[in-house]
Amino acid sequence: EIVLTQSPGTLSLSPGERATLSCRASQSVRNNYLAWYQQKPGQAPRLLISGASSRATGIPDRFSGSGSGTDFTLTISRLDPEDFAVYYCQQYGGSPLTFGGGTKVEIK
Amino acid sequence: EVQLLESGGGLVQPGGSLRLSCAASGFSFSSYAMSWVRQAPGKGLEWVSAISDSGGNTYYGDSVKGRFTISRDNSKSTLYLQMNSLRAEDTALYYCAKEPSATGYFDPWGQGTLVTVSS
Repeated sequence: EIVLTQSPGTLSLSPGERATLSCRASQSVRNNYLAWYQQKPGQAPRLLISGASSRATGIPDRFSGSGSGTDFTLTISRLDPEDFAVYYCQQYGGSPLTFGGGTKVEIK
Repeated sequence: EVQLLESGGGLVQPGGSLRLSCAASGFSFSSYAMSWVRQAPGKGLEWVSAISDSGGNTYYGDSVKGRFTISRDNSKSTLYLQMNSLRAEDTALYYCAKEPSATGYFDPWGQGTLVTVSS
């Protein structure tokens, strides 16, 4: 099983600032099959990124994904008030499918 | 617009059974693999089970293997999860999700149905 470790657990930032979220895999993720989701309180997760760097339909371009192998990053270039949420990474390159523990981006 | 509407959750005693449903609309249901993902209260996400577009292939996480059964009725555009031998640790919000490319990521997700296992 591929274990995904997200860091930091909580990120305290102000609107307009840049957010950098990390997701590290315990082994290389085949084909960089790594997705990122955003979850707001009381809502279902929403797909942001698939294939490590491909933005999903309707996702603003301030969200970008990068990385390969075992190290992946989600960057939010300038935080909008609506971006404060919990973010999860998920790998689908190996079985079983696994998620990271999440990073909470909170308002400083 | 793609819509996924889960139902069937509720309170059940340990050892009991429950059947969840997910009614899909807005897309060609029979063309897509589907999954169930759960989230325990205040916790992270855990993939539970997946099924291929035809229903011919099914996959399970280790924590539910042998107790849960995923199925689908493409004529009714509905996904199911039969849950048997339920345990307290199965308490969670259960989401159904569409797999856009059958590779294992999820978009979109339903709003979830809550399963509580308690005596």
